[in-house]
Amino acid sequence: DQQVKQNSPSLSVQEGRISILNCDYTNSMFDYFLWYKKYPAEGPTFLISISSIKDKNEDGRFTVFLNKSAKHLSLHIVPSQPGDSAVYFCAASYTASKLTFGTGTRLQVTL
Amino acid sequence: DAGVTQSPTHLIKTRGQQVTLRCSPKSGHDTVSWYQQALGQGPQFIFQYYEEEERQRGNFPDRFSGHQFPNYSSELNVNALLLGDSALYLCASSSGLKETQYFGPGTRLLVL
Repeated sequence: DQQVKQNSPSLSVQEGRISILNCDYTNSMFDYFLWYKKYPAEGPTFLISISSIKDKNEDGRFTVFLNKSAKHLSLHIVPSQPGDSAVYFCAASYTASKLTFGTGTRLQVTL
Repeated sequence: DAGVTQSPTHLIKTRGQQVTLRCSPKSGHDTVSWYQQALGQGPQFIFQYYEEEERQRGNFPDRFSGHQFPNYSSELNVNALLLGDSALYLCASSSGLKETQYFGPGTRLLVL
C-alpha cells in the first residue's frame, strides 16, 4: 500500500523557469510533510517542510503548497538552476519522526 | 558542526552472513532512525531509537535489529542476509520529537 505517491518519475525544466513537483497521499492521519533532495551517492538532504495547519511555506526559491482536502502537496522551485538537478522525495509523518516516502521524481534542469 | 556520519560506506557480504552498520547522529540530536532504500524506490522505515530503546518499528523481519548507545550513536544489525537485503541503508537523526530528520550519506550493502 503506497501511502505517498509521486506519479511523475521524471521532469525536465529549462534553467530560470519554474519547477513544480507533485505528491499525493492517502493517509489522512499525516500531519507533517517534508521534501528532500538526493544526489547520487549521497543521503537525502532536507529542503523544506510544512505542517498540516498551514497551506503554504516558503524558503528562498522553494515553496511548498499543501491542499489537505485533495491530499496533495507540491514543491515549487523558482527560478530553477542546473544545481537543482537531483531526485526529489516527498515524505509524510503522523507520529514522532517516522517518515513515509514517495518513490521520487528526477528533476533535470537544462541550460 | 559534524552532520550524520555512517560507516562503512560500502560493504559486500554473502548470503547467510551477518552485518553491522554504524551511525553517529548530528551534534545535539538524540534520536536515530534507520531506513532501507532499494534501487528506484524511496527509503523505507526500519526502526527508530530514542533513549537507547527501540521506539517504533517498520515492516521488517526480526533479522533486522539495532542498538543505541549512551552517546546516541546507533548500530543496525542484519542476520542471515538474503540477496534482497542489497540496498542503501540510511541513518537519520533528529532532536527528540522534532519531525525534521537529517540523513547521513548511507551504507551501500551488496549481498552476493
